[in-house]
Amino acid sequence: NAGVMQNPRHLVRRRGQEARLRCSPMKGHSHVYWYRQLPEEGLKFMVYLQKENIIDESGMPKERFSAEFPKEGPSILRIQQVVRGDSAAYFCASSLENTQYFGPGTRLTVL
Amino acid sequence: AQSVTQLGSHVSVSEGALVLLRCNYSSSVPPYLFWYVQYPNQGLQLLLKYTSAATLVKGINGFEAEFKKSETSFHLTKPSAHMSDAAEYFCAVSDDRRGYIPTFGRGTSLIVHP
Repeated sequence: NAGVMQNPRHLVRRRGQEARLRCSPMKGHSHVYWYRQLPEEGLKFMVYLQKENIIDESGMPKERFSAEFPKEGPSILRIQQVVRGDSAAYFCASSLENTQYFGPGTRLTVL
Repeated sequence: AQSVTQLGSHVSVSEGALVLLRCNYSSSVPPYLFWYVQYPNQGLQLLLKYTSAATLVKGINGFEAEFKKSETSFHLTKPSAHMSDAAEYFCAVSDDRRGYIPTFGRGTSLIVHP
């Protein structure tokens, strides 16, 4: 039973480029969550999605960031026009009921 | 609103010594409580969880935690530390009001000395 999968594991972008991070939830899980982790900090919630619906995006920056979880395929976190401050580890989690299971993360570096 | 406080950003123990990582929470409704472990450059792995059943919860790798409502605490313990326990540990609280979205503590780095 595969766990939560994320790709790429490492992503390097130059300022102004777009970053696309992918997350495939565990089999049977219909809830996906995205978090951002900065060095020496805990995880900050960004967005909670179910298939084709954004349920809670209270942690998403108002500009440049978007997320989707289509009917088919992985969830995508998209960051447009990246800036150096976007450099962080981005984690996806999926859940069934009340417990979240995390993927290995994507480490984004903006040059 | 929920919140989690992890006392001590770093805890250092000798191999074989007791591990105690502290977590206090606040929640206005019955909480779900979790401990996760994160090894360097990896994702978070669920150690154990409390979801209103037994107050003493046993997890993987010999860890356990006790839910104490009167103290609003959910401290993590292990009787004997192993070198492989060195990692970052996160306590989290959630409830059913926001789709079980957990609020995480800032983490405690466990250092194990030989």
